[in-house]
Amino acid sequence: DAKTTQPNSMESNEEEPVHLPCNHSTISGTDYIHWYRQLPSQGPEYVIHGLTSNVNNRMASLAIAEDRKSSTLILHRATLRDAAVYYCILRDEYFNFNKFYFGSGTKLNVKP
Amino acid sequence: DTGVSQDPRHKITKRGQNVTFRCDPISEHNRLYWYRQTLGQGPEFLTYFQNEAQLEKSRLLSDRFSAERPKGSFSTLEIQRTEQGDSAMYLCASSYLAGDQETQYFGPGTRLLVL
Repeated sequence: DAKTTQPNSMESNEEEPVHLPCNHSTISGTDYIHWYRQLPSQGPEYVIHGLTSNVNNRMASLAIAEDRKSSTLILHRATLRDAAVYYCILRDEYFNFNKFYFGSGTKLNVKP
Repeated sequence: DTGVSQDPRHKITKRGQNVTFRCDPISEHNRLYWYRQTLGQGPEFLTYFQNEAQLEKSRLLSDRFSAERPKGSFSTLEIQRTEQGDSAMYLCASSYLAGDQETQYFGPGTRLLVL
């Protein structure tokens, strides 16, 4: 499975936008980009996923570079409840249904 | 929809003892996954089931580990002869495969401490 690279930690102020980057230079054509986050003392939860086009949902936006070698998760207005570890995961939806490979993720700290 | 539940939430045991964890997936989810997570790391895949069939096991899953999913509903993960290195959070996730899309829903985890 293709690997992802994320910064270990980031900090944001409350009610400001946050851009969480992810590099995946070895992404294959059938890899979907998934983002999950893990709040303290909880299991991971789904945030968003996409293949080529930018995606929006109620939680966040996903901006995917034209060459798909990087992506950015955008939280439009960070709240204290968004403090979590954010994981960027590549998953081959066509040939490798089963596994998600989580890296170490980015720990987001939100300051009031 | 009550989400994925895991029991117990915490377990402390002595080295050499056997432990068993239970996971109840979201009803009608046909896939169930087990992961292990150590401090500061992301979850690591252990094994997964499609209905009652165990389709893949990670090399992390030594012969002391066994997982079952009888009748394709709840699942159990047993660790025999526990070692201190088994101390970790054990996460369960379930999903329903629709076409080529799959979202995993995670439980709160069982935190194991082996003394």
